Amino acid sequence: DIQMTQSPSSVSASVGDRVTITCRASQGITRWLAWYQQKPGKAPQLLIYTASSLQSGVPSRFSGSGSGTDFTLTISSLQPEDFATYYCQQGNIFPITFGQGTRLEMK
Amino acid sequence: EVQLVESGGGSVQPGGALRVSCAASGFTFSSYAMTWVRQAPGRGLEWVSAITGSGDSTYYADSVKGRFTISRDNSKNTLYLQMNSLRAEDTAVYYCAKTMIVNRQWVYAFEIWGQGTMVTVSS
Repeated sequence: DIQMTQSPSSVSASVGDRVTITCRASQGITRWLAWYQQKPGKAPQLLIYTASSLQSGVPSRFSGSGSGTDFTLTISSLQPEDFATYYCQQGNIFPITFGQGTRLEMK
Repeated sequence: EVQLVESGGGSVQPGGALRVSCAASGFTFSSYAMTWVRQAPGRGLEWVSAITGSGDSTYYADSVKGRFTISRDNSKNTLYLQMNSLRAEDTAVYYCAKTMIVNRQWVYAFEIWGQGTMVTVSS
């Protein structure tokens, strides 16, 4: 199985900050990588697919990059509604696997 | 509006069975692969199972293989997950989710999610 490792596991930041979350796959997944945001008690929301494609309706302050084994999610200027947990997910090969999550907290 | 609505969750004893359903609307259901993802209380997301649009191919996580069965009824726009031999570690919110088609290729990223249905396995 492909293991997805996110770092950091948690991060504290302030409104207006630039935040980067990384995701590493245990083997190459080309660009079959998605990012999700999840708020407490809610279903996850797709932010980015195929590593860098912005899902419709998602603010442009969110961006993704990477290919192969190393990927990043960047929030260019944090807004209050961005404090949440973020997950990466590989869709290259079954079983599909998620990262363990990164909790973004307000400093 | 594209929508997924899960139902059928509840409490069951270890070793018991339960079937959860996911009613889809607002898109051509039979054209899309569908998936189940679960989340144990306070834990991260865990992929459970997927099925192609036609239902011809199914995929499972090792943790549920041989115990869970995914299926779909395209005439009813409904996805199912039959869960047998349930264990305490199956306790979770179960989400159904819709995959994507990008440039005429299936992409296993999940663009639409249901609200989830809670399954509790406890004696």
